[in-house]
Amino acid sequence: NAGVTQTPKFQVLKTGQSMTLQCAQDMNHNSMYWYRQDPGMGLRLIYYSASEGTTDKGEVPNGYNVSRLNKREFSLRLESAAPSQTSVYFCASRDRGGKNIQYFGAGTRLSVL
Amino acid sequence: GQQVMQIPQYQHVQEGEDFTTYCNSSTTLSNIQWYKQRPGGHPVFLIQLVKSGEVKKQKRLTFQFGEAKKNSSLHITATQTTDVGTYFCAGPGAGGTSYGKLTFGQGTILTVHP
Repeated sequence: NAGVTQTPKFQVLKTGQSMTLQCAQDMNHNSMYWYRQDPGMGLRLIYYSASEGTTDKGEVPNGYNVSRLNKREFSLRLESAAPSQTSVYFCASRDRGGKNIQYFGAGTRLSVL
Repeated sequence: GQQVMQIPQYQHVQEGEDFTTYCNSSTTLSNIQWYKQRPGGHPVFLIQLVKSGEVKKQKRLTFQFGEAKKNSSLHITATQTTDVGTYFCAGPGAGGTSYGKLTFGQGTILTVHP
């Protein structure tokens, strides 16, 4: 099993460009999450999908949109990138077992110039 | 909303010294999780604590959950260079655990000098 796979691993954008970050999990998890990680700020939740067909805003949703394409895939879109969106983005999925563990992808390192 | 504060932000130790990071919540937590992120890597689940006053050990790592379930700590005995990384605590996010959301602390970056 690959677990949680994110693409691309690195990306450089110019201000105003758009792009979609892809995430797929092969663990049959219902819930998926997008976080951004900035120095000194931990991991902040952007959007989440509790189950296929549903999405909800997290702590920092402005400037982003998401699509839960199917149970496996959850994508994050930046419609008009801004320098403030320079960050490391992590996708995660959740094991519904008693421990409620989140499994993270390797991350996408995004720079917006 | 719920906040999870973690201190210190940075900790530099000599190999063999002990290390502790602390996590405090503004609200009572039903549980708390700890994750480790190696440099350049992604967060990896370490442990979950559920009971008031709970203490769990994983080799040189000792995790505690406070009696009031509002604070937690991670203690590493005799650090090794393999312990380098960022340690995060995380509590259930708003909306309850039914959605599985987590609120992460800011993390403690541990550097170990050989």
